[in-house]
Amino acid sequence: QQQVKQSPQSLIVQKGGISIINCAYENTAFDYFPWYQQFPGKGPALLIAIRPDVSEKKEGRFTISFNKSAKQFSLHIMDSQPGDSATYFCAASMGSTLGRLYFGRGTQLTVWP
Amino acid sequence: GAVVSQHPSRVICKSGTSVKIECRSLDFQATTMFWYRQFPKQSLMLMATSNEGSKATYEQGVEKDKFLINHASLTLSTLTVTSAHPEDSSFYICSASDSSGADTQYFGPGTRLTVL
Repeated sequence: QQQVKQSPQSLIVQKGGISIINCAYENTAFDYFPWYQQFPGKGPALLIAIRPDVSEKKEGRFTISFNKSAKQFSLHIMDSQPGDSATYFCAASMGSTLGRLYFGRGTQLTVWP
Repeated sequence: GAVVSQHPSRVICKSGTSVKIECRSLDFQATTMFWYRQFPKQSLMLMATSNEGSKATYEQGVEKDKFLINHASLTLSTLTVTSAHPEDSSFYICSASDSSGADTQYFGPGTRLTVL
């Protein structure tokens, strides 16, 4: 059973546009929600993360929006650039499982110049 | 920032041989390390959780006798694929969280295993 559901599977955005990736979860025990960026042949790199006590977190062009009641969170990439083309994974974890991450299936983002 | 390294980055071996992959936390102590497997265009699949000085906890369906994990120190965990077969070919990635108990996991660059 997929603990974290991610959509869309693939996304094509024009340079300068906004990329939006959505994730949903069921387990209310989750208390940490990171996003990872992965380039082909490389390991995932932490992009940005949020906890349920805030509804939004922004770091540069990347913003996480978090809706606790709807059990949904999303990643917004403003002013998308060709260098942002990568696979993005949302994830969730809970303190009781010592950091075990439950990953979404991933979104392959392509930004056209 | 926290850095996790893996060695080797690529390995090609013959069917039936064993391969060892090392995962090191370079600038922090990692109480817990995780081993993942990733198939092309798919998500990361957790194989096992490794805690320093104790036996690894394997996910359901992962053969512990085939994928041997050792976490001998706070900076090193190893994954040994024993009697490798072509179906074991995959991208293996480790991650580590620091001993402060923080949630953040730092991932290694991955190891591409090809079994001929």
